[in-house]
Amino acid sequence: GAVVSQHPSWVICKSGTSVKIECRSLDFQATTMFWYRQFPKQSLMLMATSNEGSKATYEQGVEKDKFLINHASLTLSTLTVTSAHPEDSSFYICSAGETSAYNEQFFGPGTRLTVL
Amino acid sequence: RKEVEQDPGPFNVPEGATVAFNCTYSNSASQSFFWYRQDCRKEPKLLMSVYSSGNEDGRFTAQLNRASQYISLLIRDSKLSDSATYLCVVNDNNDMRFGAGTRLTVKP
Repeated sequence: GAVVSQHPSWVICKSGTSVKIECRSLDFQATTMFWYRQFPKQSLMLMATSNEGSKATYEQGVEKDKFLINHASLTLSTLTVTSAHPEDSSFYICSAGETSAYNEQFFGPGTRLTVL
Repeated sequence: RKEVEQDPGPFNVPEGATVAFNCTYSNSASQSFFWYRQDCRKEPKLLMSVYSSGNEDGRFTAQLNRASQYISLLIRDSKLSDSATYLCVVNDNNDMRFGAGTRLTVKP
């Protein structure tokens, strides 16, 4: 399958700082990438759809000014958690897929964020 | 009603057992369907796409019933390494909707 990378894989930061997470499609171009958040023992929750060259589409209840998404190229989307607080501690995962009739999605390895 | 619902689990089965997971979805216009496997503290990995005609990959069989809006995954001759959470995923117009996942533990 296609390869999606994420960086960093884990980060610990102080409350009030901003954290940027990168998601890259390594062997294909992705006009759309997706960002998810997963709390312990829960399923993935879609946060936003990242669209190359245009604004991201956020799910209801996700603050767009808090979670800034930039999709500047066909292989890179970034998620910035601004002014992070302990309740933002979670596992953040991105996904992307090649354009196909079936739309399989491939996931990055995830970023574990801990806000102290 | 949740968009994608799965068996609550957990399933604890002995090695060699056959286990089946069920999943229902609410949007009749959903276009594509998948089973993902997620190991603890790791990202989900695609296990199988689910086709209308049903499909099989080794010990794994997936079935789709569009009329009943129902997807299933059957695992035969379960192995210890099958222990994981299995996520039912439905693609609605390029939005992936996840079930809550069913935890499977295969014991020796």
